[in-house]
Amino acid sequence: EVQLVESGGGLVQPGGSLRVSCAASGFTFSSNWMSWVRQAPGKGLEWVATIKQDGSEKYYVDSVKGRFTISRDNAKNSLSLQMNSLRAEDTAVYYCARGWGRSDYWGQGTLVTVSS
Amino acid sequence: EIVMTQSPATLSVSPGERATLSCRASQSVSSNLAWYQQKPGQAPRLLIYGASTRATGFPARFSGSGSGTEFTLTISSLQSEDFAVYYCQQYITWPWTFGQGTKVEIK
Repeated sequence: EVQLVESGGGLVQPGGSLRVSCAASGFTFSSNWMSWVRQAPGKGLEWVATIKQDGSEKYYVDSVKGRFTISRDNAKNSLSLQMNSLRAEDTAVYYCARGWGRSDYWGQGTLVTVSS
Repeated sequence: EIVMTQSPATLSVSPGERATLSCRASQSVSSNLAWYQQKPGQAPRLLIYGASTRATGFPARFSGSGSGTEFTLTISSLQSEDFAVYYCQQYITWPWTFGQGTKVEIK
């Protein structure tokens, strides 16, 4: 059974940093593109970042470029998102998702709240 | 960035009735179009990809159609478990972008 379990969310002050992670199981992690998608409270979905199987290609939405870094550890079946210089508008549930373009499996999400 | 526009924002439908949801892209996405279903407090679930291919676990009452800039999701006979928010998403050009969603509610 495919499982994606996010962790690391919490409350952080504006300008602060946070790292969220995703533990993957039930499939060959190293063979799949992986992504982070976020959803602000009561709002729609936004694709944040995506990373190739070997980590050699990474893509970011403009609103997070230069602040967020997506990475993966294929030996540990783990995906991460390092978030720096956080802003109030980054407050959202962050989902880990599998796949290139369209994602067939999603985690349950971890809530990141940016507030003073 | 490709802008995806869904209509209507809310669709009120009685159980057993047909629901038709629309999605328009600001430029052609060919058939690189997915639909997701999201229920309150849950993660999205992939429902349709390639504009018309149903994902695993969804019954035949769900169907997708269209190509280019105009797409439709049809639920032929709404069941209680189908009341949810539905999002379309293009994946021809990064950044992948979603529509704002259509909420299908009980009439």
